[in-house]
Amino acid sequence: GAGVSQSPRYKVAKRGQDVALRCDPISGHVSLFWYQQALGQGPEFLTYFQNEAQLDKSGLPSDRFFAERPEGSVSTLKIQRTQQEDSAVYLCASSLVLAGLGYSPLHFGNGTRLTVT
Amino acid sequence: AQSVSQHNHHVILSEAASLELGCNYSYGGTVNLFWYVQYPGQHLQLLLKYFSGDPLVKGIKGFEAEFIKSKFSFNLRKPSVQWSDTAEYFCAVNAAGANNLFFGTGTRLTVIP
Repeated sequence: GAGVSQSPRYKVAKRGQDVALRCDPISGHVSLFWYQQALGQGPEFLTYFQNEAQLDKSGLPSDRFFAERPEGSVSTLKIQRTQQEDSAVYLCASSLVLAGLGYSPLHFGNGTRLTVT
Repeated sequence: AQSVSQHNHHVILSEAASLELGCNYSYGGTVNLFWYVQYPGQHLQLLLKYFSGDPLVKGIKGFEAEFIKSKFSFNLRKPSVQWSDTAEYFCAVNAAGANNLFFGTGTRLTVIP
């Protein structure tokens, strides 16, 4: 079946603009994660949903970052008043079950590359 | 908090050479360990994982990794690389039962035909 789909693939924003990044997880996947990957770095955890509940948002770097998953499927990551340091690839991943990650691997999307000018 | 170190940033090998990529983590408790691969232009894919049992785990495409608890290491190996193995490789760890993965900074592997 289809994998995790993210849109847009590329986004250029002027500093101060708001952006919204979309993630369509694999159908039926309960868990959804957002990661931020800066150039030359590994992905860094932002937030985690279990169905529609946001259970962990400890990785969100500031209150300008907001994520939602209102119906437990599609998720949106919103960044308000973008800054240059927000430039990165934003990755979405989903997994099937609630159990520990060792039993349910993450399936990643291709990411959205955000460039803030 | 957990952290992951990948000491090799860029490795260049000729085809048929053997590969070993280092990965060390810091966390005192029980962990799950992963290697992910990202081929050029593609998404991150799981290569192999360890969560319990035999510390030598085998993954796809002939890759294997060995968990050495005393060294906090989970090195990735392949006896003979192919040009198609050119990719970026990420080691990742999560505390057993926790939600999130901590990734290393990645190692770029270039295999020369």
